Amino acid sequence: QVQLQESGPGLVKPSETLSLTCTVSGGSISSYFWSWIRQPPGKGLEWIGYIYYSGSTNCNPSLKSRVTLSVDTSKNQFSLKLSSVTAADTAVYYCARHYGGYIYSALDVWGQGTTVIVSS
Amino acid sequence: QSVLTQPPSASGTPGQRVTISCSGSSSNIGSNTVNWYQQLPGTAPKLLIYSDNQRPSGVPDRFSGSKSGTSASLAISGLQSEDEADYYCAAWDDSLNGVLFGGGTKLTVL
Repeated sequence: QVQLQESGPGLVKPSETLSLTCTVSGGSISSYFWSWIRQPPGKGLEWIGYIYYSGSTNCNPSLKSRVTLSVDTSKNQFSLKLSSVTAADTAVYYCARHYGGYIYSALDVWGQGTTVIVSS
Repeated sequence: QSVLTQPPSASGTPGQRVTISCSGSSSNIGSNTVNWYQQLPGTAPKLLIYSDNQRPSGVPDRFSGSKSGTSASLAISGLQSEDEADYYCAAWDDSLNGVLFGGGTKLTVL
């Protein structure tokens, strides 16, 4: 079965760029849409953006100017970069798959999440 | 800005039936299907209900979903202590062109 694993630094300094990678195992990254979601401490879920295996993307307008999404099909990975981070970007970051290859569909597979703290 | 509104909390005793509501608008629930996620303490969200009322394999039939117009509901019957978790509704939003999550409902089993 497909599994997702987020990886990246757990601590990022203010104004720097947060970089995370999601590795897909047990299945192919091809033919699916993939999303990033975050959850600040004690708060709810916020959708960050999605990427298709072909490279097409869309992001939450609230973050769009700071977000870069990319995919590496040869490594079965996709990545998130969030620039100019502040303490408000401190959160657990999740990657997830859209069910059935449709962007409108549910997120049926989630990574375990990785905690990113923004602090000097 | 699009919003999916859920009650912040809900509660029930073992064996009871509880429902959690999710109110949206024509750009999300009114035109797209609703999904529900269960998040147990300290864990990643798990898909509970998809396409308004479908259960993924392995989800007990105690969990059910429904939708009418721009609102949706999650019902949990035969409440069990292990159901104590945060529940989130979500739907594609045409204005956002992305996934919109509700604020989440913390379910307490008394």
